Amino acid sequence: EVQLQQSGPELRRPGSSVKLSCKASGYSITDYLMHWVKHRPEHGLEWIGWIDPEDGETKYAQKFQSKATLTADTSSNTAYMQLSSLTSEDTATYFCARAFGHTTGPFDYWGQGVMVTVSS
Amino acid sequence: DVQMTQSPSYLAASPGESVSISCKASKSISTYLAWYQEKPGKANKLLIYSGSTLQSGTPSRFSGSGSGTDFTLTIRSLEPEDFTVYYCQHYNEYPFTFGSGTKLEIK
Repeated sequence: EVQLQQSGPELRRPGSSVKLSCKASGYSITDYLMHWVKHRPEHGLEWIGWIDPEDGETKYAQKFQSKATLTADTSSNTAYMQLSSLTSEDTATYFCARAFGHTTGPFDYWGQGVMVTVSS
Repeated sequence: DVQMTQSPSYLAASPGESVSISCKASKSISTYLAWYQEKPGKANKLLIYSGSTLQSGTPSRFSGSGSGTDFTLTIRSLEPEDFTVYYCQHYNEYPFTFGSGTKLEIK
């Protein structure tokens, strides 16, 4: 059974960074792209980007180009997203999601989401 | 960026009824359109992709239609478990964007 298990909630100070994890089980992460999505109730869902864990290739939405860094560790079958220079605008729930088939989209499996709170 | 306009934001219906949710793209996205179901405490579920193809495990009471800019998700004979939130998403070009969501409530 495919599962994406995300790390627990995070509380960070403005200006700091956070690294979120997404551990895959039931398949090898090198076989599929992994996407990340941001969710704020008042702003809806926003696509951040994807990583190909097989070779580390990444693609970012322009607005997250300098905010998010996607990486993957094939030995632990885990994808990561680091968010830097955190502000209150980064307070949100973040999801990892697997790309369907051998394509860039849509997303056939999602993590449960991780809440990141940025507050002084 | 392609803007996805989803409507209505809220929809009230009774079990057994049928409902439709609209998703309009600001430019043609061919059939690169997916529908997702969101439930509290559960991972988001892919229901439909390529505009009208049911993902494995999606009940047949769900259907999708449309191409270009206009798409519709229809749920026939609503079951109690269908009352939740639905999103559309395009994946035709970068950045992928989502509709604002439709909350389906029990009347």
